[in-house]
Amino acid sequence: QKEVEQNSGPLSVPEGAIASLNCTYSDRGSQSFFWYRQYSGKSPELIMFIYSNGDKEDGRFTAQLNKASQYVSLLIRDSQPSDSATYLCAAYTGNQFYFGTGTSLTVIP
Amino acid sequence: NAGVTQTPKFRILKIGQSMTLQCTQDMNHNYMYWYRQDPGMGLKLIYYSVGAGITDKGEVPNGYNVSRSTTEDFPLRLELAAPSQTSVYFCASSYVSREDEQYFGPGTRLTVT
Repeated sequence: QKEVEQNSGPLSVPEGAIASLNCTYSDRGSQSFFWYRQYSGKSPELIMFIYSNGDKEDGRFTAQLNKASQYVSLLIRDSQPSDSATYLCAAYTGNQFYFGTGTSLTVIP
Repeated sequence: NAGVTQTPKFRILKIGQSMTLQCTQDMNHNYMYWYRQDPGMGLKLIYYSVGAGITDKGEVPNGYNVSRSTTEDFPLRLELAAPSQTSVYFCASSYVSREDEQYFGPGTRLTVT
């Protein structure tokens, strides 16, 4: 079974702090990894994807991938109250996407 | 562009009834997907399609059927609805798959009682 696991949280951080979200995956054949943000009652929206080992930065967001450890993370710098949402990690394997259960993030003003 | 549209937004079904969830995209995307999301859970792939006329099963296909006669449309059919199919259903599309963003529709909230 291809599993993607996330700490469900909730994770609370003060405004302006760094939020760190983690994800592990079980299938070494997974090719690429995605972070989606989902506000309550809304559909997921892509934050960023990564498929090479190392870091990838986009504005306040940095994705990190370590294929040897089968570990993906998302760092959110200068967290804002508008970042409060559930963050879904997904792994792409063999034409399919496998999603984790999501981590709920609350940024406290 | 309207993006990915889904109808209906809400539906209540009785056990044993059938229905079709509609999904249309106007972005000329090749790939289309159907997911379900149960409360507090991630998304589970039901079916996907890599192009018109081609469909394949995802993680949780039982109780569902799909067709893809055009690039734009990817309807999901529920036969003999069961309470276990109570969920939020999302349709998504992407141009390619491995490195491309999936665009999600607004979802259909289905309750089976």
